[in-house]
Amino acid sequence: DVKVTQSSRYLVKRTGEKVFLECVQDMDHENMFWYRQDPGLGLRLIYFSYDVKMKEKGDIPEGYSVSREKKERFSLILESASTNQTSMYLCASSTTGGYDGYTFGSGTRLTVV
Amino acid sequence: KNQVEQSPQSLIILEGKNCTLQCNYTVSPFSNLRWYKQDTGRGPVSLTIMTFSENTKSNGRYTATLDADTKQSSLHITASQLSDSASYICVVSARTGGGNKLTFGTGTQLKVEL
Repeated sequence: DVKVTQSSRYLVKRTGEKVFLECVQDMDHENMFWYRQDPGLGLRLIYFSYDVKMKEKGDIPEGYSVSREKKERFSLILESASTNQTSMYLCASSTTGGYDGYTFGSGTRLTVV
Repeated sequence: KNQVEQSPQSLIILEGKNCTLQCNYTVSPFSNLRWYKQDTGRGPVSLTIMTFSENTKSNGRYTATLDADTKQSSLHITASQLSDSASYICVVSARTGGGNKLTFGTGTQLKVEL
């Protein structure tokens, strides 16, 4: 069964901490994405990557960075966590163009205190 | 601006009953429309996908319709079960030079009760 795996289901971090969210896919997909999901706002795109070492800003990149050193792994980094980054974070992957759809991970619920 | 609006925002029905969720969109150029089911605390899982030329697609007790002229879609759930309790998200893709760009609705929260 193909899969997108996020390393943590729940995380609690303190304000100012550096936070790493990890995502691994086993489908050999070219594209990988990071979204955050907040009540009433739907999913919003933070960053995406269409190839190793390539990255593109999404709609809300401020306060975040990403790393893609290997095709199967896409990391989201919060350089200095803030309380307004408390959210559900979803990783997704797709083939080039995304025409076959996106496969989502189970999500990481991050709480910044 | 591309937008996807879903209604109702939330819905409570009794087990065994049918229900219909709505999705209106203003996305162009249209590529495809998907319905996702998202259980609480989990990632979204694809239920159906429809392209411009398709107007009905079924997946078990789930049937999605698409009217590309009016830019409306619906998701009909037949003989609801407790496990259908979830958020249902409509996602519309716009075809761009670099691939598909997704616009997400905010979802309909469905609760099925005994």
